[in-house]
Amino acid sequence: QVTLRESGPALVKPTQTLTLTCTFSGFSLNTNGMCVSWIRQPPGKALEWLALIDWDDEKYYSTSVKTRLTISKDTSKSQVVLTMTNMDPVDTATYFCARISRGRDNWFDHWGQGTLVTVSS
Amino acid sequence: SYVLTQPPSVSVAPGQTARITCGAKDIGTKSVHWYQQKPGQAPVLVVYDDRARPSGIPDRFSGSNSGNMATLTISRVEVGDEADYYCQVWDSRSDHWVFGGGTKLTVL
Repeated sequence: QVTLRESGPALVKPTQTLTLTCTFSGFSLNTNGMCVSWIRQPPGKALEWLALIDWDDEKYYSTSVKTRLTISKDTSKSQVVLTMTNMDPVDTATYFCARISRGRDNWFDHWGQGTLVTVSS
Repeated sequence: SYVLTQPPSVSVAPGQTARITCGAKDIGTKSVHWYQQKPGQAPVLVVYDDRARPSGIPDRFSGSNSGNMATLTISRVEVGDEADYYCQVWDSRSDHWVFGGGTKLTVL
């Protein structure tokens, strides 16, 4: 059974760095074709793709936030970590991690439940 | 950047057919995927590769894609289908995973 679970702080202050962890089970990020991505959703708004890391440790970032993001993986712990620097109130959103299993040019077949991050002083 | 355009809302009576569109230049050359999101929940994949259904998704959900428009069709709509629906593609030019703005389906 494939599961993903996001964890991290619920509240961060402006200018701080956010670190989120996606802990997954039921698959290995060493397997050819496997990818884990971060996607966010501000309250009442649409989904926005942020970053993706694949089985070969290739990393992809949204142009809109590229300079602020770092994605990494720890396959021994079955975790993917996203850091976002210089947080701003507009970054308030639910952050999801999601899996792609058939190569990066495909669909997100499993999602975590999401974690709400509020940016406020 | 590649932009996917969805109508903000679609309304349909129970038992009728709902069609949710996703427009973009030459979207017919890409594979389109559709997600259903109910309030407070994570998105769920309902159609992938334009028209394929994951296991467990009823055959009332179908998709098509041609030219500049992809469409998610929900037949025999039920009250439980009320949700936000998002289309998504992978843009090979930018290596970005792009979502549409979402469509709120209301079952009257």
